[in-house]
Amino acid sequence: GENVEQHPSTLSVQEGDSAVIKCTYSDSASNYFPWYKQELGKRPQLIIDIRSNVGEKKDQRIAVTLNKTAKHFSLHITETQPEDSAVYFCAAILLTGGGNKLTFGTGTQLKVEL
Amino acid sequence: DAGVIQSPRHEVTEMGQEVTLRCKPISGHDYLFWYRQTMMRGLELLIYFNNNVPIDDSGMPEDRFSAKMPNASFSTLKIQPSEPRDSAVYFCASSPSGTMIQTQYFGPGTRLLVL
Repeated sequence: GENVEQHPSTLSVQEGDSAVIKCTYSDSASNYFPWYKQELGKRPQLIIDIRSNVGEKKDQRIAVTLNKTAKHFSLHITETQPEDSAVYFCAAILLTGGGNKLTFGTGTQLKVEL
Repeated sequence: DAGVIQSPRHEVTEMGQEVTLRCKPISGHDYLFWYRQTMMRGLELLIYFNNNVPIDDSGMPEDRFSAKMPNASFSTLKIQPSEPRDSAVYFCASSPSGTMIQTQYFGPGTRLLVL
């Protein structure tokens, strides 16, 4: 089955700096890669995703890049703000007609310091 | 829509007791997932259903865990008997079919503490 590794496990940045979180996956057939943000005590929420036919996707201060050859994808947050502090999870999945099983990374605790 | 609804939000029980967690998915969603989250193991998929049918239960840790989905609007996750190592946050999530099949919406979670 799929295996997703995520680094780093913790990341501390100064407000206004950029943050990068990296994930690798094992199944070259995986074709969909979402990122979830989980604030303390709350539920994971989808913030951005990318499909395997796209190399990069942006949404305001957040971007995701995908390198299919190397089987890794990254989350980039620019101009970080205190409200970006949370745990971020990457995930991978092969979307098929009969299955919908996300494999999550272990999470990155991002702390944005004032 | 109220989103995915879970109950109870918090549960404290003693070892050996039966625990039942409940979930109401978003109306119209065909997929329902049960996850367990702990500091040590992160987010683990326990089981998921498609159209009320269990598709993959390979994540269910042992026979003490069971899940049912009697209809499209209700699912339960039962632990019997419960053990302290079952203490975790249990999330239910749902997703639609079709072009948005990949987007999973999580419920608020049930915080379970087994003493």
